[in-house]
Amino acid sequence: SQKIEQNSEALNIQEGKTATLTCNYTNYSPAYLQWYRQDPGRGPVFLLLIRENEKEKRKERLKVTFDTTLKQSLFHITASQPADSATYLCALRTPGNSGYALNFGKGTSLLVTP
Amino acid sequence: DSGVTQTPKHLITATGQRVTLRCSPRSGDLSVYWYQQSLDQGLQFLIQYYNGEERAKGNILERFSAQQFPDLHSELNLSSLELGDSALYFCASSVGQATNEKLFFGSGTQLSVL
Repeated sequence: SQKIEQNSEALNIQEGKTATLTCNYTNYSPAYLQWYRQDPGRGPVFLLLIRENEKEKRKERLKVTFDTTLKQSLFHITASQPADSATYLCALRTPGNSGYALNFGKGTSLLVTP
Repeated sequence: DSGVTQTPKHLITATGQRVTLRCSPRSGDLSVYWYQQSLDQGLQFLIQYYNGEERAKGNILERFSAQQFPDLHSELNLSSLELGDSALYFCASSVGQATNEKLFFGSGTQLSVL
């Protein structure tokens, strides 16, 4: 079965540093991979989508890489700020019981301290 | 505000009961997705509808059912509730059903089964 794995340990970094989060997946070759941000008690919010033929994608202070050989995506937040503290989820479409479902990893909690 | 509306925000009920969660997608979105989120399981995909038709199914329990109506709103019915069904239930919508669709999530319904 398909697995989407994110580091379950919280990531604590100091303001201004670069945060790097990892998403690994197995048993599937998705054409797209997405990243979402989730704040406590709220629904996830879409951040970025990267295609399999894109090695890297940027949006403001965010950067995502997608290595289809390693089956891994890295999510970077540069010049991190306390407001970036949240849980970050990666997601990809995998075959489900019927059709293709957008499945999420369990997320990595990021805490940026001043 | 994502534009996705979920009601009610909170629901407290007893084991064995049946509840209905309601979702109104963003204006113009044809796909609706339901997810269950618990602390230990993360965000679990339940089911997707596109323009009234079921498109993808996750590990949704037989006690759970959903539908999407002609006006595109959706309802998730949970019956014979058990303590373990207590969770945050999210609805999300997207424009279509392509594999690169990004999802817009509602604020969720917190279900507590006592």
